[in-house]
Amino acid sequence: DAGITQSPRHKVTETGTPVTLRCHQTENHRYMYWYRQDPGHGLRLIHYSYGVKDTDKGEVSDGYSVSRSKTEDFLLTLESATSSQTSVYFCAISGNRVENTEAFFGQGTRLTVV
Amino acid sequence: KQEVTQIPAALSVPEGENLVLNCSFTDSAIYNLQWFRQDPGKGLTSLLLIQSSQREQTSGRLNASLDKSSGRSTLYIAASQPGDSATYLCAVEMDSSYKLIFGSGTRLLVRP
Repeated sequence: DAGITQSPRHKVTETGTPVTLRCHQTENHRYMYWYRQDPGHGLRLIHYSYGVKDTDKGEVSDGYSVSRSKTEDFLLTLESATSSQTSVYFCAISGNRVENTEAFFGQGTRLTVV
Repeated sequence: KQEVTQIPAALSVPEGENLVLNCSFTDSAIYNLQWFRQDPGKGLTSLLLIQSSQREQTSGRLNASLDKSSGRSTLYIAASQPGDSATYLCAVEMDSSYKLIFGSGTRLLVRP
């Protein structure tokens, strides 16, 4: 299995509080992604990173920010959590195109905002 | 904006049947297409990756094809087994932006 770990695995938080989810990889892969998965919507891209300090928005980035200060860690922050952000969050990693690697996913973080 | 569609949304078949899952995308400027499997409560597992220059890839009982110009891919599963029951998702990596865009998936049930 690819070395990718998400933490925490489960979290319940109150509306209006900040929340940070962590994705840690040991594969030295260049690309990292954050998705949310909701019934009827599949996986939707929140933000992604193509290198240290290089990030870009996905299709559902409002209310989320990310940071990548080193290759192995990609943090997703909900500045002020809302009930609409209750979801399962997945991190994914992918190598560079020369290596032609498929994407690997973490086990997910189930976030409940009450 | 790239849109990825998977049909059907759900499928139930008896064990042993051969089946085809479909994936279509609106923007043909893709770098590759990947098929994934997701078991309930789990993360995604990569099944097959097809480069945009390729027509198909095979792994065991799985065969994936890609027609980039028409924006279509199919995943063929031969001699289905109950253990194949899962949700199957396709995703395209965009050529210029490295974005990985997913379809909503096909939920497959193989009945013993």
